[in-house]
Amino acid sequence: QVQLQESGPGLVKPSQTLSLICTVSGGSISSGSYYWSWIRQPAGKGLEWIGRFYISGITNYNPSLKSRVTISVDTSKNQLSLKLSSVTAADTAVFYCARTPVGPEYYFDYWGQGTLVTVSS
Amino acid sequence: SYELTQPPSVSVSPGQTARITCSGDALPKQYAYWYQQKPGQAPVLVIYKDTERPSGIPERFSGSNSGTTVTLTISGVQAEDEADYYCQSADSSGTYPVVFGGGTKLTVL
Repeated sequence: QVQLQESGPGLVKPSQTLSLICTVSGGSISSGSYYWSWIRQPAGKGLEWIGRFYISGITNYNPSLKSRVTISVDTSKNQLSLKLSSVTAADTAVFYCARTPVGPEYYFDYWGQGTLVTVSS
Repeated sequence: SYELTQPPSVSVSPGQTARITCSGDALPKQYAYWYQQKPGQAPVLVIYKDTERPSGIPERFSGSNSGTTVTLTISGVQAEDEADYYCQSADSSGTYPVVFGGGTKLTVL
């Protein structure tokens, strides 16, 4: 049973870079059978897809965030990472990592529990 | 940008049928997926490819597609079904490979 666990600082100052890690257990992030995504959710609001990574090195980002986002993996640690630069209070949210099986459909079958990041001075 | 439109809220009594809609121009060409999210929890996939139900999801959850609108139907609603529901799809150009609807709060009266 695959498990995803997000971790990182719960508080980030405005204009700084938010950095999060998603540790994958019960499966290899290098398998090539899955995409790995970051999704966020401000308190009381809806879900917003941030971007995804495939082990070939291909990344896709939400156009609204593309200029500030970098998603990468550390295969030796089986971890997915997220960097979001120049953050403001509007970036305060619960951040989730999630898995998508490779195929013609695109859905998220496993999610982490989420981690809250607050942007405040 | 591409948008999926859901009603903010739906209310039903226990045992009744709840229908939650999701509208988007690309839905005739792109599959839709539905997630259930309870407070403080991560979303859970309840419908994929418009109408398919993942293993472990109760049979009372079903999905349908009628052109630019997809519908999540919950038959015989139970108190435990009270949650937020989100549809997910993509635009037809590939610019927005993942888009979520705004979410619908299902209240079981």
